[in-house]
Amino acid sequence: NAGVTQTPKFRVLKTGQSMTLLCAQDMNHEYMYWYRQDPGMGLRLIHYSVGEGTTAKGEVPDGYNVSRLKKQNFLLGLESAAPSQTSVYFCASSYSVRGLQETQYFGPGTRLLVL
Amino acid sequence: AQKITQTQPGMFVQEKEAVTLDCTYDTSDPSYGLFWYKQPSSGEMIFLIYQGSYDQQNATEGRYSLNFQKARKSANLVISASQLGDSAMYFCAMTTYNQGGKLIFGQGTELSVKP
Repeated sequence: NAGVTQTPKFRVLKTGQSMTLLCAQDMNHEYMYWYRQDPGMGLRLIHYSVGEGTTAKGEVPDGYNVSRLKKQNFLLGLESAAPSQTSVYFCASSYSVRGLQETQYFGPGTRLLVL
Repeated sequence: AQKITQTQPGMFVQEKEAVTLDCTYDTSDPSYGLFWYKQPSSGEMIFLIYQGSYDQQNATEGRYSLNFQKARKSANLVISASQLGDSAMYFCAMTTYNQGGKLIFGQGTELSVKP
């Protein structure tokens, strides 16, 4: 049981390049999330998904796209990377939110540097 | 709008002593949940403890307890008998019923445990 895994762990991009971050979970969770963490700040929600084939915008969605083609995978795409997207990206997943006590389990994070 | 505030950027505590990390929140939704996460220097996010807005008693998990004062809208984390391994960033987070599980994070408190 690997939990939540993220690929890659670290990436350097040049401005304007594109890339896709992959998140995978093996806990059969319905909900999946993408956050970014900037220095000195807490995590901010980029996009999330409440089930296979569905996605929605979070707090800071601009410049990112997502897809949830399979229940276990949640992809985060940067079409044209900008230095402002230099950050640590975390994926998380949880069971469907029937109540509020649905703990989110986080991946190890992906460090992205955009030059 | 929902908001989480952590006013202590950094804290020091002597090993084996107790420490309180402050968290205040703001929401108009009567149904909400409060979480604390630990982020060690390795970067992963570790779930520590949860408190629901309708819970009658303060949550406890081993050495962690949550001092929940609903009228003051505070949810302070208390760590008893601090250990060197407790040195980390600590984040308070909240979700509300209307947010459908999406977490809002505070800016975090960096705790350093001195031997």
